[in-house]
Amino acid sequence: GAGVSQSPSNKVTEKGKDVELRCDPISGHTALYWYRQRLGQGLEFLIYFQGNSAPDKSGLPSDRFSAERTGESVSTLTIQRTQQEDSAVYLCASTPDPGRSMNTEAFFGQGTRLTVV
Amino acid sequence: GNSVTQMEGPVTLSEEAFLTINCTYTATGYPSLFWYVQYPGEGLQLLLKATKADDKGSNKGFEATYRKETTSFHLEKGSVQVSDSAVYFCALSDRGSTLGRLYFGRGTQLTVWP
Repeated sequence: GAGVSQSPSNKVTEKGKDVELRCDPISGHTALYWYRQRLGQGLEFLIYFQGNSAPDKSGLPSDRFSAERTGESVSTLTIQRTQQEDSAVYLCASTPDPGRSMNTEAFFGQGTRLTVV
Repeated sequence: GNSVTQMEGPVTLSEEAFLTINCTYTATGYPSLFWYVQYPGEGLQLLLKATKADDKGSNKGFEATYRKETTSFHLEKGSVQVSDSAVYFCALSDRGSTLGRLYFGRGTQLTVWP
């Protein structure tokens, strides 16, 4: 597609429910990142996918968070048993192969605003 | 570790005023430095970058110089416009960590009044 697409744009869920967020990266971009932005905070790195390599999950805040990506296509971020502190904007970004240049621009989606009530 | 500290906002200016948004960083290696901007209702987009010490990034009238001696990458613009109203994020990428991973500051909200 023309840009990184995320869905839904907004999600309100009850505490304890599971949610699934979707990211469709730019075609041909091998790297995909998930970030979280809580109110008044900077973006926190969550997870990184690069091609078929094992993902870097070092930023996931708890075992309630998981993400999948098949090849170089769509990624889903799943939050189980949501808590109020999970309320945030979840941003997805993709880049061409960062192994060729760590200075490659990251292209961001508009994010999913998650509210846990 | 890696971290970015940027000036807290919000910043409110009149049109044609001079803008400075301060950004300092801590990095374990040799980082590349970025400014991203988020206009209302849009996703983050790259504004400018600098990849080594003394480099100056520039775009749309904005400039920032990579200062290794002061570990800074301050964003400046000589004459702001209403259309510059947005949230600005300073960020770094360190070749010693996850490739392409960005470390962000908290963001600075800029509002420009006509």
